[in-house]
Amino acid sequence: AQSVTQLDSQVPVFEEAPVELRCNYSSSVSVYLFWYVQYPNQGLQLLLKYLSGSTLVESINGFEAEFNKSQTSFHLRKPSVHISDTAEYFCAVSDRASGTYKYIFGTGTRLKVLA
Amino acid sequence: DAGVTQSPTHLIKTRGQQVTLRCSPKSGHDTVSWYQQALGQGPQFIFQYYEEEERQRGNFPDRFSGHQFPNYSSELNVNALLLGDSALYLCASSPLGGGREKLFFGSGTQLSVL
Repeated sequence: AQSVTQLDSQVPVFEEAPVELRCNYSSSVSVYLFWYVQYPNQGLQLLLKYLSGSTLVESINGFEAEFNKSQTSFHLRKPSVHISDTAEYFCAVSDRASGTYKYIFGTGTRLKVLA
Repeated sequence: DAGVTQSPTHLIKTRGQQVTLRCSPKSGHDTVSWYQQALGQGPQFIFQYYEEEERQRGNFPDRFSGHQFPNYSSELNVNALLLGDSALYLCASSPLGGGREKLFFGSGTQLSVL
């Protein structure tokens, strides 16, 4: 069965420093990959997605993630974080061959940006 | 354009009771999925509805049931509530035709079971 591992439960980082949030998934079958962000007491907002094509995907607010099939990873990066990036980040995978769109989520990484 | 809307936002129940949560998908979306997010955990897939039928189900007991209406809105029902059912319940919808792989989430219903 598909699984997602987010190795870091919490990541503290100073403002304007770079950050990487790690995500690995278990299966090498053809997948869709996603990063979602969750602010306190809110639902999930899609940050970026990999469906096909270029392995490097970017969001409108400066985040990027790279799909690495050989390492079954989809790490999230930002070169310079802001206080407003403080939130919980979830990596998710969907098996595109299954014909339905059940997402498997990781346990989340809490990013805390320090002033 | 309203996104995915869920009601109520918060709910308190006692063990053994039954609860119904409601979800209206984003305009133009026909598929609804439900997820349970326990405190400190990632969301877990409960089930997915399309064309008023349950299409796929996660590892949840039969106490969890659902329904989808002709207008694509959906309900999640939980019977015989347990303390462990306390969680944020998220509804997600995905669009008609192409783009089904993209889920749009509501803000959730926070269920507390006492």
